[in-house]
Formats: sequence, C-alpha cells, structure tokens
Amino acid sequence: LAKTTQPISMDSYEGQEVNITCSHNNIATNDYITWYQQFPSQGPRFIIQGYKTKVTNEVASLFIPADRKSSTLSLPRVSLSDTAVYYCLVKLAGFQKLVFGTGTRLLVSP
Amino acid sequence: DTEVTQTPKHLVMGMTNKKSLKCEQHMGHRAMYWYKQKAKKPPELMFVYSYEKLSINESVPSRFSPECPNSSLLNLHLHALQPEDSALYLCASSQGLGGTPSGANVLTFGAGSRLTVL
Repeated sequence: LAKTTQPISMDSYEGQEVNITCSHNNIATNDYITWYQQFPSQGPRFIIQGYKTKVTNEVASLFIPADRKSSTLSLPRVSLSDTAVYYCLVKLAGFQKLVFGTGTRLLVSP
Repeated sequence: DTEVTQTPKHLVMGMTNKKSLKCEQHMGHRAMYWYKQKAKKPPELMFVYSYEKLSINESVPSRFSPECPNSSLLNLHLHALQPEDSALYLCASSQGLGGTPSGANVLTFGAGSRLTVL
C-alpha cells in the first residue's frame, strides 16, 4: 500500500528555520498538496497548499519539485508556539481519498 | 462563520450504549468528513459525504453509522462499540472534494470528540 512518509520528529530552537519534507511518490496527477498543524487534543489546522513550484503565505512556504514526488514545508523563524505535529495531506494515484502523511513532531526549544 | 463545531467534547460510554457524535458547519461547504485518530497517529478517514450523500465508506464496521441530515450537519451514531474504538473523532468539511484548485481539498476540522469506551 502506497504511503505518505515524513520524519517522525525534529528538534529546533527559537528563531531558526525548519524544513519538514513529505514523500509522496505516488501522488495523483491533478491534486494539491496541503499541510496541517495539530496541537494536542485539537483538530488539524490548515497551514498552506500548493500544486507545484513554490507557494508562500504569511506563516510558511511550500516547495514542490517538478516531479511532485515530495514536498517541503518551510517554517521561518520558529517560536515555542510552533511546537506541534505537522502533517501533509495528499491524494494518491488510484485512490479516491485524501491521505495524511505519517506526521512530524516538531519540538522548539528556547 | 469559519468554524466546525463538534459535540460533545468528551464522551464515555459502555459497550452496550447507544450514543451520537454531532458536527455542524455554516461555511456552505458541500463535503463533510469523519476521521478517527488514535494517540500519536495521523487521522484515518472513516466516511465522506458529498452533497449530503455518502461518497466514501472506508470499510468502517457497522457499529459506526453516519448520517447527514442536511448540508450543515453530520452525525456519527455509535452502538455496541469496543474498547479499541476509543479515540479522538474528528469532523471536517471542505468546499468540495479534491481534484480541483481553489481550496477544494482544504479541510476545516473541528476540535474533535474524545471517546472512551469502557
């Protein structure tokens, strides 16, 4: 079964840039890649969405190579409040449903 | 209103009980979802409704019964659950189903209902 994989965890310090990659080598051709942030006992919250190349909003950037087999969420200058689990969400080829990545637990320290 | 509201926040039930989880959105979204999330795992899709019709059932046991009374409401009826069904149940909505731009697969999630089955 095709999976969407992410690093289990990452550690960072306040003020640093953090890059989290999601591998989705069987992504559906026409669908977008979306990233979410989740705090304990809360629902995931939308961060950013893109189809190809680079997308930037007020909180993050998303880099997608031409083959779209991976995507990288970039969080500039993280703060303690960015400590959370980050998930990518994609539709895999041959599947109707959207599939969450395995999730990356980010810990930001002072 | 840009929220998805789920009730109750917490629910404890015995294996013989019948209970329901409720979800409401007023964003005009036409797709609604139920996800199940176990500790330290990603959310797993259970059901998808599109335009009030069941679109996807991920082979969920019949002890979970979804219902979409109208475009704003989504229920999950629970009966004869097992202790391993204890989890956080998340409701979400989106403008439509994925495959098109303009945020069609941007899901807005509720805070979840924490279910404990004794």
